Amino acid sequence: IVMTQTPLSLSVTPGQTASISCRSSQSLLHGDGRTYLYWYLQKPGQSPHLLIFEVSSRLSGVSDRFSGSGSGTEFTLQISRVEAGDVGTYYCMQGLNLPWTFGQGTKVEI
Amino acid sequence: EVQLVESGGGLIKPGGSLRLSCEASGFTFIDVFMTWVRQAPGRGPEWLGRITRESDGGTTDYAAPVKGRFTISRDDSKNTVYLQMNSLKTEDSAVYYCTTEFFDQSGRYIDVWGRGTLVTVSS
Repeated sequence: IVMTQTPLSLSVTPGQTASISCRSSQSLLHGDGRTYLYWYLQKPGQSPHLLIFEVSSRLSGVSDRFSGSGSGTEFTLQISRVEAGDVGTYYCMQGLNLPWTFGQGTKVEI
Repeated sequence: EVQLVESGGGLIKPGGSLRLSCEASGFTFIDVFMTWVRQAPGRGPEWLGRITRESDGGTTDYAAPVKGRFTISRDDSKNTVYLQMNSLKTEDSAVYYCTTEFFDQSGRYIDVWGRGTLVTVSS
């Protein structure tokens, strides 16, 4: 499954909202009714870490400024009230079929 | 604290072999699948393969670029997963991460990544 993110880079003013799109080459809806789309953030010099799983479920401790939406093959990560600490590269990833595949990444700068 | 710590990276000549280790702590290792991911400089993460729980047969799956050259194994007595890498190529140069995900006893989804270990394949 090919994952395509847009844009590849994004410059945002603190307090604004940032939006990242992710498209999959096939539907990520599983027969169990769950959609296996994940969003990761990789801050400079760090490992990736998961923000959102199954399209819209935030990991414990992740700010509610981060929200995920979408279905089928079209997904969006929205970052509200962007802060300086949100800089990094955001990746979408599909976990429906092996091999799991990542998007190219969206570099967010302030 | 839930933690994964990789080790074993280094500089290796093309055609050589290397074994990476990933030691887990803070969670019940036997209950989780373990995955290896790598990231070449300036590139996005690339899924390499995974191993299921022993209770699921300890089966492995691999990405096409490494199938037949890389082998994932686990030793539940040591809470450790391994990545044996043979016939290394310059394009295998990357930071190698182990990772896992599970629901904890409170029902919270936990996603864990190690800090990674750098593998450089160069003559």
